[in-house]
Amino acid sequence: NAGVTQTPKFQVLKTGQSMTLQCAQDMNHNSMYWYRQDPGMGLRLIYYSASEGTTDKGEVPNGYNVSRLNKREFSLRLESAAPSQTSVYFCASARDRVGYDIQYFGAGTRLSVL
Amino acid sequence: KNEVEQSPQNLTAQEGEFITINCSYSVGISALHWLQQHPGGGIVSLFMLSSGKKKHGRLIATINIQEKHSSLHITASHPRDSAVYICAVGHRGTGANSKLTFGKGITLSVRP
Repeated sequence: NAGVTQTPKFQVLKTGQSMTLQCAQDMNHNSMYWYRQDPGMGLRLIYYSASEGTTDKGEVPNGYNVSRLNKREFSLRLESAAPSQTSVYFCASARDRVGYDIQYFGAGTRLSVL
Repeated sequence: KNEVEQSPQNLTAQEGEFITINCSYSVGISALHWLQQHPGGGIVSLFMLSSGKKKHGRLIATINIQEKHSSLHITASHPRDSAVYICAVGHRGTGANSKLTFGKGITLSVRP
């Protein structure tokens, strides 16, 4: 049972390049999340999908787009990367509403934008 | 917006010591989560609780809803407990209960 799988683990981009971070879960969870983690800031929610077919903005959505491709997969896209998007990105999932359910995290993607 | 404060910011302990990490929040919640992150590692959920106390091995989590406060206790601490401990709270209400607000985390170092 793999849990939550994120790819890639590391990525270096130049300013203006685009990329997509992939996330897949095999626990049949309804809700999925993308967070970024910066030193001294704690985890901040970028976007989330409470159920298949829905997506909503979190605390820091600017510069990002998401797609809930199906129940398993939730991708995060950076259309034009900026140095301010240098961060560690975590995908997570929960059986239902994370306010009431344990959240399971992927291993993270370390992104550097030069 | 719910504010989540953790204390102390950093903590160093000697192996075998009893450790307490605190978390306070500002408004009513659906549940409180304690998470663990080892250096360079992923994030693991330790506890989710909405009342009382939970215990798993050497870890004990308590919550006082009236005082809006939770504590994570580690008994007989070990160097492998060295990690960042993160408190997060779930929100009530339709839509809102799909999100968590996170504290900044506390870095614990246990010396052998």
